[in-house]
Amino acid sequence: KNEVEQSPQNLTAQEGEFITINCSYSVGISALHWLQQHPGGGIVSLFMLSSGKKKHGRLIATINIQEKHSSLHITASHPRDSAVYICAVYSTGNQFYFGTGTSLTVIP
Amino acid sequence: DAGITQSPRHKVTETGTPVTLRCHQTENHRYMYWYRQDPGHGLRLIHYSYGVKDTDKGEVSDGYSVSRSKTEDFLLTLESATSSQTSVYFCAITGPPKGELFFGEGSRLTVL
Repeated sequence: KNEVEQSPQNLTAQEGEFITINCSYSVGISALHWLQQHPGGGIVSLFMLSSGKKKHGRLIATINIQEKHSSLHITASHPRDSAVYICAVYSTGNQFYFGTGTSLTVIP
Repeated sequence: DAGITQSPRHKVTETGTPVTLRCHQTENHRYMYWYRQDPGHGLRLIHYSYGVKDTDKGEVSDGYSVSRSKTEDFLLTLESATSSQTSVYFCAITGPPKGELFFGEGSRLTVL
């Protein structure tokens, strides 16, 4: 049983397209992270959310606590956005649960 | 950026040899985690620590042990490495604020 489910697993987009990645979770949470990992690289947290919406440049993250769902949107996608995006939740039991990631490729 | 470093970053070893990976933080955070990342499995928790000498097992702890004798250092040991332990290992620390998450750069281990 996976506490965190992401979709899609793989995504290919043309440069400039609007991209959405979805995350659903089944545990009670204190916070949700969207993580980014470039090929062969480390993992960084793009956003930490507990409610509502956050925006950073071309990236927007939203969360609906009642529906246990979060989305990561990338507007005007660029080849440098190509990476694996991972949804992670910090549960009320002080544990992290991770999705298996969405591999995004943006073609010039 | 949080001050968290892992060493070594890359290691190749042979089956049956002991291996120790080190995670060092300069943030004085209580909570530290060791994860392994494998294709198709994502990040899986090996062990975690809530403070000095306070550690517990995660979902894939078999074949691994940990120690935390100082707040800043969390060591992961493979007593007798096996090929199934070939993976990328990430250390992570959390908060404050509660739930904030920072990763080390990762350690790529190959067991031949």
